[in-house]
Amino acid sequence: DGGITQSPKYLFRKEGQNVTLSCEQNLNHDAMYWYRQDPGQGLRLIYYSQIVNDFQKGDIAEGYSVSREKKESFPLTVTSAQKNPTAFYLCASSQTGGDTEAFFGQGTRLTVV
Amino acid sequence: AQSVTQLGSHVSVSEGALVLLRCNYSSSVPPYLFWYVQYPNQGLQLLLKYTTGATLVKGINGFEAEFKKSETSFHLTKPSAHMSDAAEYFCAVSNTGYSSASKIIFGSGTRLSIRP
Repeated sequence: DGGITQSPKYLFRKEGQNVTLSCEQNLNHDAMYWYRQDPGQGLRLIYYSQIVNDFQKGDIAEGYSVSREKKESFPLTVTSAQKNPTAFYLCASSQTGGDTEAFFGQGTRLTVV
Repeated sequence: AQSVTQLGSHVSVSEGALVLLRCNYSSSVPPYLFWYVQYPNQGLQLLLKYTTGATLVKGINGFEAEFKKSETSFHLTKPSAHMSDAAEYFCAVSNTGYSSASKIIFGSGTRLSIRP
């Protein structure tokens, strides 16, 4: 079945460590997105990519980094520069063109311990 | 810049009552509009979308929404609420996507509770 797979589902990080969240899709979508979700704040865009080897910063990119070396994969690294990383992270993908909906993974819950 | 405002962070209705979740958007170009639903600790699932054409859009689970350009609104309704409708609902807007900068912007969400 086609879809988006995020791993791990739960992740614990010590302060000062970098961690990488995985996102893989087999929908043959060109566009991929990373969102952060905090209670009462909806989804905030971290990074997005319209094509392989290209990506743009979203509204809250500071303290995060991404790569898009393959069409299927869009990993997100939460660096030690991100001061408040505890959140629910959602990856999504879509066809380009704006009129097509995004398909979401099941999310990764990151907790700093 | 595009933006979405959802009025009411929490809405509570009785089972069988009308559901109305409000969404207003801001866009300098004709928008594409979406409603998504999220159940606890899960990703988002598309309920319905408006791109062009008919302004009344029907979606899954009996939901529908009407695009009103004059009011810049895209409110979500369902005639009769079910207990299974309890979830978080997000309105979203996307631009026309003719540039490489197409992205989807979400509102802050409305949590829908259903009273027995």
